[in-house]
Amino acid sequence: DAKTTQPPSMDCAEGRAANLPCNHSTISGNEYVYWYRQIHSQGPQYIIHGLKNNETNEMASLIITEDRKSSTLILPHATLRDTAVYYCIVPIEYDGGTSYGKLTFGQGTILTVHP
Amino acid sequence: DAMVIQNPRYQVTQFGKPVTLSCSQTLNHNVMYWYQQKSSQAPKLLFHYYDKDFNNEADTPDNFQSRRPNTSFCFLDIRSPGLGDAAMYLCATSRGANTYNEQFFGPGTRLTVL
Repeated sequence: DAKTTQPPSMDCAEGRAANLPCNHSTISGNEYVYWYRQIHSQGPQYIIHGLKNNETNEMASLIITEDRKSSTLILPHATLRDTAVYYCIVPIEYDGGTSYGKLTFGQGTILTVHP
Repeated sequence: DAMVIQNPRYQVTQFGKPVTLSCSQTLNHNVMYWYQQKSSQAPKLLFHYYDKDFNNEADTPDNFQSRRPNTSFCFLDIRSPGLGDAAMYLCATSRGANTYNEQFFGPGTRLTVL
């Protein structure tokens, strides 16, 4: 599976955009990029995913570079409640011939939003 | 609201005493996953069910078993919990076992082993 690299921590001021980068240089053509976040003591929460095109939903925007080797998650107006660990994941597509969308979580980026 | 429910939220057991954690879902999803998350670590997949087909991760200890009696429910059994099994256990579901369906997680059960 494509491994991802994220900065261990980032800070953001409340009300400003938070831009979280992720490198996935070994991604293959059919592999998706997913973002999840985990607020302290809660289960992970799905945010957004994409393949080639940029994506936007009510939570965030995902910008994927043309070569697909990196992406950026954008929280347009960060709030204190967005303080969490953000995981960028490229799910494994096949493992021994079985496709099951396995999520392998790295250490993620701890985003701290401050007043 | 459709959701993933885990009971109990906190479970305390004694060293070596079998314990069962439960997960239910109202999403009618085909796939259910169990993850283990130890303190200050990322979640790690233990196994998953695609319908009734069980798929174990290669490094999941034999001490961990799972049952899925129907689409809605899935159980995690720890036969002889050790101190190292203290963790948050997360249940997740997805519509399909592929890379284009997101996973929906429950709130987790925090297991303490005394």
